[in-house]
Amino acid sequence: ETGVTQTPRHLVMGMTNKKSLKCEQHLGHNAMYWYKQSAKKPLELMFVYNFKEQTENNSVPSRFSPECPNSSHLFLHLHTLQPEDSALYLCASSLETGANVLTFGAGSRLTVL
Amino acid sequence: EDKVVQSPLSLVVHEGDTVTLNCSYEVTNFRSLLWYKQEKKAPTFLFMLTSSGIEKKSGRLSSILDKKELSSILNITATQTGDSAIYLCAVGGGADGLTFGKGTHLIIQP
Repeated sequence: ETGVTQTPRHLVMGMTNKKSLKCEQHLGHNAMYWYKQSAKKPLELMFVYNFKEQTENNSVPSRFSPECPNSSHLFLHLHTLQPEDSALYLCASSLETGANVLTFGAGSRLTVL
Repeated sequence: EDKVVQSPLSLVVHEGDTVTLNCSYEVTNFRSLLWYKQEKKAPTFLFMLTSSGIEKKSGRLSSILDKKELSSILNITATQTGDSAIYLCAVGGGADGLTFGKGTHLIIQP
């Protein structure tokens, strides 16, 4: 257990469904991140939040909608996804943004049918 | 756009061998280079390097940064089957998050 907890660990959804991924960190960090990991590709940074404020949106399609109600919780709301969105979604946190060490959660494996 | 290239992408060796993994980068406003190990799901932190030429060690693993060559190596000596994993290199620069390479998939055969 790394101190960053992600739920659910596995999710299968149809293209018309709406679902959410949840991330919670117990490390007292102020920055939280969503990364996408697809086969044979580098981890792709999606969103960055620092003290609940979004500081980076890496040209992510609007079918992915992040929410950060406080520094300990981060959500990724999913709707009308495509099969190519199937991937491992990793949440991470760090003390602050910048070149800090990120602590990752175990990820949510998403399959879009 | 920041870029990280790792080589080789995959490597199979026998237990007891020594391996060297490579990472090169192009990044604006370089601040640090990090190595992670990913066995099942969550990448786990190994090293963070900020200064050139200073080796960091942890047991059989060591790493060094060369800012002139914009590269880093990760060495593992006397490899064990438990070292089998994907090793990720990442750099911190202008963006708020880290930019990752594709990783090196290392397999240690008994």
